[in-house]
Amino acid sequence: QVQLQESGPGLVKPSGTLSLTCGVFGVSVTWGDWWSWVRQAPGMGLEWIGEISHSGRTKYNPSLQGRVTVSADESMNHVSLQLTSVTAADTALYYCARRRGVVRGYLDVWGRGTLVTVSS
Amino acid sequence: DIQMTQSPSSLSASIGDRVTITCQASQDISNYLNWYQVKPGKAPTLLIYDGSTLQTGVTSRFSGSGSVTDFTFTISSLQPEDIATYYCQQYEMLPWTFGQGTEVAIK
Repeated sequence: QVQLQESGPGLVKPSGTLSLTCGVFGVSVTWGDWWSWVRQAPGMGLEWIGEISHSGRTKYNPSLQGRVTVSADESMNHVSLQLTSVTAADTALYYCARRRGVVRGYLDVWGRGTLVTVSS
Repeated sequence: DIQMTQSPSSLSASIGDRVTITCQASQDISNYLNWYQVKPGKAPTLLIYDGSTLQTGVTSRFSGSGSVTDFTFTISSLQPEDIATYYCQQYEMLPWTFGQGTEVAIK
């Protein structure tokens, strides 16, 4: 059974870098899926951030292009998210999820999310 | 980006009621639509993929239909454990986008 667990600092200063990790359990991150990050700002809906394939290909939301990096560590079997130059608008609950499908597909396993607040 | 317009934004219904949520895409997405359930403090759950395919292990009270631009999600008989926010999501084109969500409450 695949399980995901997000972790990272709950508080980041404005203009700083948000760094989160998603521990993947039950399958290798290099097995054959994509690994996505999705966030939910307070009172708002879900927003797809970006994803990385089992082979290291990445795709990002253009609204965050230039600030976001998704990477994977095979030895640690986790996926990471870095978001630079953060502002209060980046305050959100951040989820990682597994995406099935080569070109497109559904997010079938999610973590519980980790809350990140951007504040001085 | 493909805009997903979900309605209503919230609803209140009685236990046993049939509940329907609609999702409209700003352009043709074929059947590339998913439905998710989100509860506070819990991992979101995939309910429906490919517009109408029920995810393994998900109750058959839930169903989805539609194609092209117009989609519907139905709870056939609302139960207390169905209290949650429901989101549609298109995966026809990047960036993947979600509807704004429908909060379901018990009347």
